[in-house]
Order: sequence, then C-alpha cells, then structure tokens
Amino acid sequence: EIVLTQSPGTLSLSPGERATLSCRASQSVSSSYLAWYQQKRGQAPRLLIYGASNRATGIPDSFSGSGSGTDFTLTISRLEPEDFAVYYCQQYGSSPPTFGGGTRVEIK
Amino acid sequence: EVQLVESGGGLVKPGGSLRLSCAASGFTFSHAWMSWVRQAPGKGLEWVGRIKSKSDGGTTDYAAPVKGRFTISRDDSKNTLYLQMNSLKTEDTAVYYCTTDDWLLGMDVWGQGTTVTVSS
Repeated sequence: EIVLTQSPGTLSLSPGERATLSCRASQSVSSSYLAWYQQKRGQAPRLLIYGASNRATGIPDSFSGSGSGTDFTLTISRLEPEDFAVYYCQQYGSSPPTFGGGTRVEIK
Repeated sequence: EVQLVESGGGLVKPGGSLRLSCAASGFTFSHAWMSWVRQAPGKGLEWVGRIKSKSDGGTTDYAAPVKGRFTISRDDSKNTLYLQMNSLKTEDTAVYYCTTDDWLLGMDVWGQGTTVTVSS
C-alpha cells in the first residue's frame, strides 16, 4: 500500500500568513488521484482539493493544490481564522486508499 | 441537499457485534460507490472498506485490520449503507464515518460520524 507522509506535523502561523503543507508518497500516485481534506475539531472531514489541484465545490481560491508523482503541496495563501484546523492528504488512485497522518495548522 | 446520516454506534464489549447504518439523501445512491472511514480518539483517518455500485459489480474491499470481521452491504431500495462489525476489539474504538467514494473526486461527501466504543 502507498504510505503518505505529511510534514510538518504542526504549523504555527498567524492569521494573514501563508501556509505550505507537504505530502510525500512512498510510490507514485496514479494519475494524480490525490485529495486534501480539512477537519475542524468535532467535525467530519471536508474535501478541499481533488485530483491534486482541483478545488471542490465551494472551496475558496485561497486554497490551492499542486504536485504530481510522489510530492504534493497544499497552499493556503492567506490564513483566515476559520482555516486553523487539521489537514489530511489522501491517495485514491490505488487500493487500499490511504491517508497521511495530518498537519495541524494552529494559531501562533 | 446531499446528506449522509450515520446511526447505530454505542458501547459494546470485546468480542461483541454492532451494525452501523448510513442513510443517504440528495443524490442517486444506487450509482455511488461508498466507503467507511474511521478515526480513533486523537488519531488520524483510516479507511475501513468500500462497496461498489451494483452496476459496477457490487463487490467489497476491506482494510487488513478488519478483513474477515467486518462486512459492508447496501440496500439501494432504502438508500442505506451498512457496516456489520463482528468480533470487535478495543482497537476498533473510533468514530465511524460513511463517505461517498468517487473515482474522480475522492471522498466528497461525509456523514457526521457515529461513535463506537469497545470496552469491558
């Protein structure tokens, strides 16, 4: 199975700053079937990005995804107060689908 | 409105069984592949298993830790997904989410989750 490693584990930033989250796969992710999810405390995850770089419905353009092969990045261009949460990457190009361990974005 | 609503969670002793349900609305459930994903307390997300649509064969796949103990099924006439959990272990304690499982979008719709606690 494909192992996804997210870094850093925790990112401490201030509102208005730029956040860059990394997701590295143990082998190439088929057809860039890589998604990013946001999870706030006590809530279900929410799809942000699919296909490595496509924003899901209703997701603001402050969120962007990039990458291919084994290296992927989620960028939040300007952090809003509601963006402080945990972010997970997931590959769904091969079975079993797997998730990274998550990056917590916290207020500095 | 597209919605998934899980139910059936609770407290069960090790070795026991539980059946979770997930009621779908707002989309054509019979066409959808569906998955269960769980999250142990304070931990990350773990895929449990999936079921394909009947038109795609209706087959199931499971994660290694639950294979042989958990069974996913669906009733398209009731727009409902099920997760039958047998021989439960303490390490199965988690919030269980049902999700849509789309080949292009990934897991684009999530329920609110139902909590399963396995403890003596």
